[in-house]
Amino acid sequence: EIVLTQSPGTLSLSPGERATLSCRASQSVSSSYLAWYQQKPGQAPRLLIYGASSRATGIPDRFSGSGSGTDFTLTISRLEPEDFAVYYCQQYGSSPETFGPGTKVDIK
Amino acid sequence: QVQLQESGPGLVKPSQTLSLTCTVSGGSISSGGYYWSWIRQHPGKGLEWIGYIYYSGSTYYNPSLKSRVTISVDTSKNQFSLKLSSVTAADTAVYYCARVGPYSGYDYWGQGTLVTVSS
Repeated sequence: EIVLTQSPGTLSLSPGERATLSCRASQSVSSSYLAWYQQKPGQAPRLLIYGASSRATGIPDRFSGSGSGTDFTLTISRLEPEDFAVYYCQQYGSSPETFGPGTKVDIK
Repeated sequence: QVQLQESGPGLVKPSQTLSLTCTVSGGSISSGGYYWSWIRQHPGKGLEWIGYIYYSGSTYYNPSLKSRVTISVDTSKNQFSLKLSSVTAADTAVYYCARVGPYSGYDYWGQGTLVTVSS
């Protein structure tokens, strides 16, 4: 099973700042089958990035993903008020699919 | 716009079977190209993949739950279902159904339904 580790656990930033979230895998993620999701309280996760770097439909271009192998990054170029949430990475290239524990981005 | 909606009991007794159904609208399960999945989230915790099914009936389960899980599909009703047997308090969670493409991640989710295991 591929274990995903996310850092930091919590990121305290102000609107307008840049957020950099890390996701590290215990072994190489097949074909960059790595996705990022945003989850707000009481809501289902929302797909942001798939294939490590492709934005999902309707996702603003301030969200970008990069990385390959075992190291991946989600960058939010300028935080908007609606971006404060929990972010999860997920690998879907190997069974069982697994999620990271999440990074909470909160308002400083 | 594809929409998914979970339904089923919100309270299940220990040792019984949890049964949930996901109804899909705005798209046909039998059109292929996508897998239909169940994912759960323990209260205040992260996400756990349970498994998924293709319209043909092929299933893939998380090994940690495989002995207790059955996912089935009813293409005539455009629904798929989850059964989890011998539940304990550790199975208390919000259960989500979702659509997943082979390369594109989980792009549509239901709103989630809280299932509590308690006597």
